[in-house]
Formats: sequence, structure tokens, C-alpha cells
Amino acid sequence: GALVYQYPRRTICKSGTSMRMECQAVGFQATSVAWYRQSPQKTFELIALSTVNSAIKYEQNFTQEKFPISHPNLSFSSMTVLNAYLEDRGLYLCGAKTENSDYTFGSGTRLLVI
Amino acid sequence: DAKTTQPDSMESTEGETVHLPCSHATISGNEYIYWYRQVPLQGPEYVTHGLQQNTTNSMAFLAIASDRKSSTLILPHVSLRDAAVYHCILRVAGGNNKLTFGQGTVLSVIP
Repeated sequence: GALVYQYPRRTICKSGTSMRMECQAVGFQATSVAWYRQSPQKTFELIALSTVNSAIKYEQNFTQEKFPISHPNLSFSSMTVLNAYLEDRGLYLCGAKTENSDYTFGSGTRLLVI
Repeated sequence: DAKTTQPDSMESTEGETVHLPCSHATISGNEYIYWYRQVPLQGPEYVTHGLQQNTTNSMAFLAIASDRKSSTLILPHVSLRDAAVYHCILRVAGGNNKLTFGQGTVLSVIP
């Protein structure tokens, strides 16, 4: 079956430092990868959508300068949170899909900023 | 993507059949109705989806109103493992691959 692994599962970083998180698709080719942030209040925010052969599309309030994303092949994507501050804390979710499938999500990377 | 409205929370007892409603009065003709659920400490899990006809799988039955302005996710014989936040989401078919999550319905299951 289709699985998505995210690592690390949880991480702590000091305010002003950066944190890289990874997303691995197993058993399928991730032609699209969506990165979300779920706040402590449980609301979802779509950060960006990466689709092969297309530019990465960032949602309003999120920028490449702050959340650079790499999607180098059909099984892997990474995102970095640069200069993390308190408002960046939350659960970062990666959802991946093929052209004809639905999204499969990982368990997320929980970021705590101190 | 059009907006959905769900109750904030619902409660059920183990073994009962649960009906989770979702209102989507402004749904477009090319929008599918998706349901995902999320248990604590996990990412969202796909449950089912449909366009116009009712659908069924091993997890749930999706009943879609004839005018498509509402739908109901039916969970037969719920267990404690079905306790989760259930999200009803509209997604445009084809090129736009976004899933826009709302707050969802928190389903509590009592033993």
C-alpha cells in the first residue's frame, strides 16, 4: 500500500534557528506533494503545493524565502523552516499523491520553538 | 474551493451507527466531496469520496443528496478506534490538487 513517512517525528529548535523536515513516499510515485501546518488550535494551513514539472506554488502568507521546499524526485520532498519563531510551532504535515490517487499523509513533524 | 459546514462535535456509543453531516450549498459541478479523518498524533487518513452517487467502502458509506448540497458520512457499528476528527472537503477534479481543510467534526465514542 501507499505510505508516507515523515521525519523527524518531533523536534525542538531555538528561536531564530532553522529546521529541515523530510517526507518519503513509499510504494507509489509522489507526483504532487502538499505541505501543511496544523496549529496548536488544530486549524490546517496549506503552505505550498509541489507538482512535478511545475513550479512550487506557495499559498498566501507563506513564502519560498521562509519555507524553501525541495521535491527532487518522485519519492522524496523536504521543507525547511528558516528563522523559526514561536508562531511557527505546530504539526507540519506532508501529503503525497500520484496523478490518479488521493492524498496519503504522513504522521507529521511536530515543531516546538523555544 | 467551495466551503463546507460541519457540526463541531458529535458523540456516539460503541456499536451504534453514526451519521456525520456536511453542508456544501455552493458546491460546483466539478467538485468532489472528500472525507478524511485524523486521530491524535497522526496525519489525516483518507476515508472516502464521491461526486454524485452514494459510495461505500470498508470504512464508511457516503450518502450524497440529489442536489449535492449536502452529504452524510455513515459509520456503521463504530468502535473506540473510530474516535477522530472527521473532515468534509471539496476538491476540484483534475488540475487543482489542493485539499482545503476546515475544522471538522470531533467524533467521541463512549464505551
